[in-house]
Amino acid sequence: EVRLLESGGNLVQPGESLRLSCAAAGFSFSSFALTWVRQAPGKGLEWVSSISGSGFDTYSADSVKGRFTISRDNSKNTLFLQMNSLRAEDTAIYYCAREDGSGYYFDYWGQGTLVTVSS
Amino acid sequence: QSVLTQPPSVSGAPGQRVTISCTGSSSNIGANYDVHWYQHLPGAAPKLLIYGNNNRPSGVPDRFSGSKSGTSASLAITGLQAEDEAVYYCQSYDISLSGSVFGGGTKLTVL
Repeated sequence: EVRLLESGGNLVQPGESLRLSCAAAGFSFSSFALTWVRQAPGKGLEWVSSISGSGFDTYSADSVKGRFTISRDNSKNTLFLQMNSLRAEDTAIYYCAREDGSGYYFDYWGQGTLVTVSS
Repeated sequence: QSVLTQPPSVSGAPGQRVTISCTGSSSNIGANYDVHWYQHLPGAAPKLLIYGNNNRPSGVPDRFSGSKSGTSASLAITGLQAEDEAVYYCQSYDISLSGSVFGGGTKLTVL
């Protein structure tokens, strides 16, 4: 059974940093690209960042480019999102999702972790 | 403002059929990228409903179907049931943004 479990969400002040983790189980971790998707309060889903199975290729939305860094540790089956210079508009539930190998869609999702940026 | 455009809400009575539209552009749906659909219940993880325009993952009832034409796509739900009440999102890939894009979501209300 595929499982994705996010952690690391917290209340932080604007300008601070936070690191999210997503522990995976039930599949060959390094064979799949992974993605972070977020949902701000009262808003829809927003793609944040993706990383290839090897970790060599990463892609990020313009809204987080230069502030957020996606990475993975294939030896520990864990995905990360390092978030720096946080802003109020980064407040959201952050989901990690597995990307199916054949077509840019997300076949399994975690339950999400809440990040609140507020003074 | 989402890259893919969906109606904010749709509604239907139990047993009826509803459709949800998803309109994109020449850099995503119109560039021949597939459209995928997700069902999102409050407090739960989003669930893949349709992938590759019109394919259902195992376990998704055949009451759900998808289609795509040109720069648009649609999700159809037949035989509406109370448990279908949720927010539905379309998603595709955008070549100019080099990343995935979502619609703004459509809230389905079962009357």
